[in-house]
Amino acid sequence: DVKVTQSSRYLVKRTGEKVFLECVQDMDHENMFWYRQDPGLGLRLIYFSYDVKMKEKGDIPEGYSVSREKKERFSLILESASTNQTSMYLCASSRGRLSGNTIYFGEGSWLTVV
Amino acid sequence: TQLLEQSPQFLSIQEGENLTVYCNSSSVFSSLQWYRQEPGEGPVLLVTVVTGGEVKKLKRLTFQFGDARKDSSLHITAAQPGDTGLYLCAGAKGNQFYFGTGTSLTVIP
Repeated sequence: DVKVTQSSRYLVKRTGEKVFLECVQDMDHENMFWYRQDPGLGLRLIYFSYDVKMKEKGDIPEGYSVSREKKERFSLILESASTNQTSMYLCASSRGRLSGNTIYFGEGSWLTVV
Repeated sequence: TQLLEQSPQFLSIQEGENLTVYCNSSSVFSSLQWYRQEPGEGPVLLVTVVTGGEVKKLKRLTFQFGDARKDSSLHITAAQPGDTGLYLCAGAKGNQFYFGTGTSLTVIP
């Protein structure tokens, strides 16, 4: 079975703290993604990665960075958390092929910044 | 980037009724996926369609990919309370995925 695992389901952090969200996939997928999901705004792409040590900005990268040191692991970093980063964060992965591609999601990480 | 328009946005129906959700775009996709998401959980894949005109069935759910690979529909027959959730469509273009805004379905017992 396809598996994308997010290390933390629920986090509460203080404004200004550094936050790490970890994601691991066991499908040997080339592509990995971080989204945030907010009511009324749908899914918005923060960053994605096509390969180890590669990263590309998505639609809303400000305030975030990412790290992909190994193929199976993609980390999202909030350098200095702010209250407007309170959200549901979703990690996802897909194969690096151009046709018939499917994206698989983790269970989500609920982050509250107080 | 919002390339996919999903409708309706909200749907509340009685148990046993049929319904159809639409996912439309002016862009061509190499594949299209449908997901169901429950509150507090990540989206769970229901189906992937790849070929124009393709129809796939998953129990009471029927998925169709448009002939031109620009749109898709999800039809649920005899809806049950367990079908309640947020339904999302996603289209693949190259290595990128584009998501609809979702249809929130409530099935009333």
